[in-house]
Amino acid sequence: EAQVTQNPRYLITVTGKKLTVTCSQNMNHEYMSWYRQDPGLGLRQIYYSMNVEVTDKGDVPEGYKVSRKEKRNFPLILESPSPNQTSLYFCASSWGKPDTQYFGPGTRLTVL
Amino acid sequence: AQKVTQAQTEISVVEKEDVTLDCVYETRDTTYYLFWYKQPPSGELVFLIRRNSFDEQNEISGRYSWNFQKSTSSFNFTITASQVVDSAVYFCALSEAYSSASKIIFGSGTRLSIRP
Repeated sequence: EAQVTQNPRYLITVTGKKLTVTCSQNMNHEYMSWYRQDPGLGLRQIYYSMNVEVTDKGDVPEGYKVSRKEKRNFPLILESPSPNQTSLYFCASSWGKPDTQYFGPGTRLTVL
Repeated sequence: AQKVTQAQTEISVVEKEDVTLDCVYETRDTTYYLFWYKQPPSGELVFLIRRNSFDEQNEISGRYSWNFQKSTSSFNFTITASQVVDSAVYFCALSEAYSSASKIIFGSGTRLSIRP
């Protein structure tokens, strides 16, 4: 089954404790992306990747890191999480940038 | 710069009414793509439609229809004879095909509530 998976689905952590949210897709998509969803702000793109080893900043990259060492995986790293990073995070993938994106189920992160 | 505006934050209608969700976009590119996604209460994001800038034909899919008008930079979504299952947050999104920045911009969403 074609899908985008994210782990964990829910995470409560404390300020400053490094964490990684994993994202994996099995569709051989080239384009992958991370979004955060906040009330009233819709989805905002954090980082995206056009292919392996090619990543670039979206609209809200501060406080986040990503890597794309393999085509299928695109982890989101918070080196020192802060409470303003409490949000719902979605990973997405597509064949290319303008193509239909397939979204993961979301990760609800709370930073205390 | 890219921008997507969904001015309707929340809409509430009674079942079987028709409802239109507005989406206005800004772009300097001549080639771009517009999308609509649905986010039901369960939280997942469901793709509804993709439209490229060269195709201004309106689209109909069952009770759903989309009106793309380049002259007003709008890509509105209409649900005919709404049902309770249509209750969700709906997002409009824009992707520029040839921009050096490969961003995808989403609107802030419209929360649609269908009352029985």
